[in-house]
Amino acid sequence: GEDVEQSLFLSVREGDSSVINCTYTDSSSTYLYWYKQEPGAGLQLLTYIFSNMDMKQDQRLTVLLNKKDKHLSLRIADTQTGDSAIYFCAEMSASNTGKLIFGQGTTLQVKP
Amino acid sequence: DADVTQTPRNRITKTGKRIMLECSQTKGHDRMYWYRQDPGLGLRLIYYSFDVKDINKGEISDGYSVSRQAQAKFSLSLESAIPNQTALYFCATSYTDTQYFGPGTRLTVL
Repeated sequence: GEDVEQSLFLSVREGDSSVINCTYTDSSSTYLYWYKQEPGAGLQLLTYIFSNMDMKQDQRLTVLLNKKDKHLSLRIADTQTGDSAIYFCAEMSASNTGKLIFGQGTTLQVKP
Repeated sequence: DADVTQTPRNRITKTGKRIMLECSQTKGHDRMYWYRQDPGLGLRLIYYSFDVKDINKGEISDGYSVSRQAQAKFSLSLESAIPNQTALYFCATSYTDTQYFGPGTRLTVL
């Protein structure tokens, strides 16, 4: 079945780069997403990448996709305390029902 | 104004009570979804609807029902709430593939 896995916790110092990793099993995924959830808030769409792309950059965010290894990563450059949140990786189901499969979420802690 | 709103934002109820969570959107999207979030489990899909006449079960629909009253409104009901339905519930909408989430409803069943 479809599955998405993430490590649960990452701690970095302010100003460093953060890299959050995600692996997935569905090789026919069409889109892969990164969402951010701040404490007490809903999910905010950060960025997404189409499956025929290898990389997407948006200001401090860089998404890398390795389709062969079914590995997705989100790099946040110059991490700030305001980046502290839970980051969810999600893939669009290949059955095209518009169904998202989410990872467990990675809690990013940014230390001053 | 928020594009996707959920009411109530917080609710505490007792086992056996009927609860309705409501979702409204001003994005004009046809597709709407209900998810629940549990710590360490990510989000799991309860029900989804691609238009007013279309309702589909997600991976964890048991114990829940939904109603799509209009394009803009999608409500989730717990007919007889039980403690393991304590969770954070999210509504989402989409036009095609990208989903946009509401702020969530924190439900506690005692």
